[in-house]
Amino acid sequence: DTGVSQDPRHKITKRGQNVTFRCDPISEHNRLYWYRQTLGQGPEFLTYFQNEAQLEKSRLLSDRFSAERPKGSFSTLEIQRTEQGDSAMYLCASSPGTGIQPQHFGDGTRLSIL
Amino acid sequence: LAKTTQPISMDSYEGQEVNITCSHNNIATNDYITWYQQFPSQGPRFIIQGYKTKVTNEVASLFIPADRKSSTLSLPRVSLSDTAVYYCLVGDASQTGANNLFFGTGTRLTVIP
Repeated sequence: DTGVSQDPRHKITKRGQNVTFRCDPISEHNRLYWYRQTLGQGPEFLTYFQNEAQLEKSRLLSDRFSAERPKGSFSTLEIQRTEQGDSAMYLCASSPGTGIQPQHFGDGTRLSIL
Repeated sequence: LAKTTQPISMDSYEGQEVNITCSHNNIATNDYITWYQQFPSQGPRFIIQGYKTKVTNEVASLFIPADRKSSTLSLPRVSLSDTAVYYCLVGDASQTGANNLFFGTGTRLTVIP
C-alpha cells in the first residue's frame, strides 16, 4: 500500500532560512491538501489543490508560504524567511477527485526553528 | 464554518465500549461527518464517515441523529492500542470549501489496562 509520503520527516533550521517540503500523494488522487499542526491542536488548513490547480489558500496564510503542484502529482510547500512561530508539524493529505471522500494523510514533516 | 466541539479527554478501561460525541450545531445540508484517529508523530487516519442515521464498519460505528447537530463515534471493546486523539471533521473541500474544514482540538482517549 503506497500511502501519502512526505519528505523530510524532520527539518531543523535557523530562523530566517527558507525550507521546502515535499509530498507524494496516493497515485491517482486528484486532491491534495497541506495542513499545519501544533502541539495539542488539530490540523489547521493551509492550502488545497485539485490536480495542478491551487483552488484555495487559508485566509490566514502568510505570504511567506507558497505551494506548488506542477504536474498534478507531487507537491512542494515552501516557507521563506522562517520564524519561530513556524515550528510545527506540516501534514499533507490526498483524496480522490470525485465525490465526498475521506482524506489520506502522510506522517508529516516536523519543522523546528532554532 | 461548521465548527465542532468535542470533549478534551476521556478515559476507558480495556474491553469497554467508548462513545465520543461531537457537536456541530452549524452543520450544512450537504456536509458529511468524518472521524479520524491520530497517534503521536503520525498523521490522522480515517476511521469512518457518514451523513445520517448509522454507519458501521469493521472498527467503529457512527451514530447521527435526525437533526445532525451532533454525531457519536462508538468504539467497541477498546484495547490499549486505541489510545489516541480522535477528531471529527464536518464538511468536504469540494462542498463547503477547504477553508471551512475545522478539525478542532480532538478528544484524547486513554485506555487503561
